Amino acid sequence: KAGVTQTPRYLIKTRGQQVTLSCSPISGHRSVSWYQQTPGQGLQFLFEYFSETQRNKGNFPGRFSGRQFSNSRSEMNVSTLELGDSALYLCASSPTGPLYGYTFGSGTRLTVV
Amino acid sequence: KNEVEQSPQNLTAQEGEFITINCSYSVGISALHWLQQHPGGGIVSLFMLSSGKKKHGRLIATINIQEKHSSLHITASHPRDSAVYICAVHQNTGNQFYFGTGTSLTVIP
Repeated sequence: KAGVTQTPRYLIKTRGQQVTLSCSPISGHRSVSWYQQTPGQGLQFLFEYFSETQRNKGNFPGRFSGRQFSNSRSEMNVSTLELGDSALYLCASSPTGPLYGYTFGSGTRLTVV
Repeated sequence: KNEVEQSPQNLTAQEGEFITINCSYSVGISALHWLQQHPGGGIVSLFMLSSGKKKHGRLIATINIQEKHSSLHITASHPRDSAVYICAVHQNTGNQFYFGTGTSLTVIP
């Protein structure tokens, strides 16, 4: 069965712009979570969506937002990009949440210049 | 304050050696995950534990809930095991997800 698909794989944006990243979960998975990975901070949890509702949220500013559609596909948006937003953004899907394990996508590498 | 601490940070082993990576955490958890990340970024979930021990091939993961400690063991290590291993915990209150900084493992032929 198809894995978790993230698009695009690579992205270069200018400071001040906004960006939208997409994540298509494994068919039947209703939980989608997003993570940021940087060399300095490592992996950090952004938020989790389940059945179109944000269920959990990490400690990130309001510039980071997301949503989930009825088909469980999820998008993450970052507005007013800063240089420090350059990172690998990963999403993961799960049938219902953490007690069932996660499958990760390959990530979107965002570079802000 | 780091909710999840991993040791060692870096580990070099000869092929065939037995390897242990440790993870300690400070919050109450509903689940602990061991993740593997190869160069290029892709992450694979190796184990999800809420108690006891799990084994998959040459990999064994254990957790002691009372001591808030987990270990990942690799028996008969192989160069293809070279990767970064990350411990992650899902907090049982507040539903936060915390990550260790990772252990970079290099297995030399």
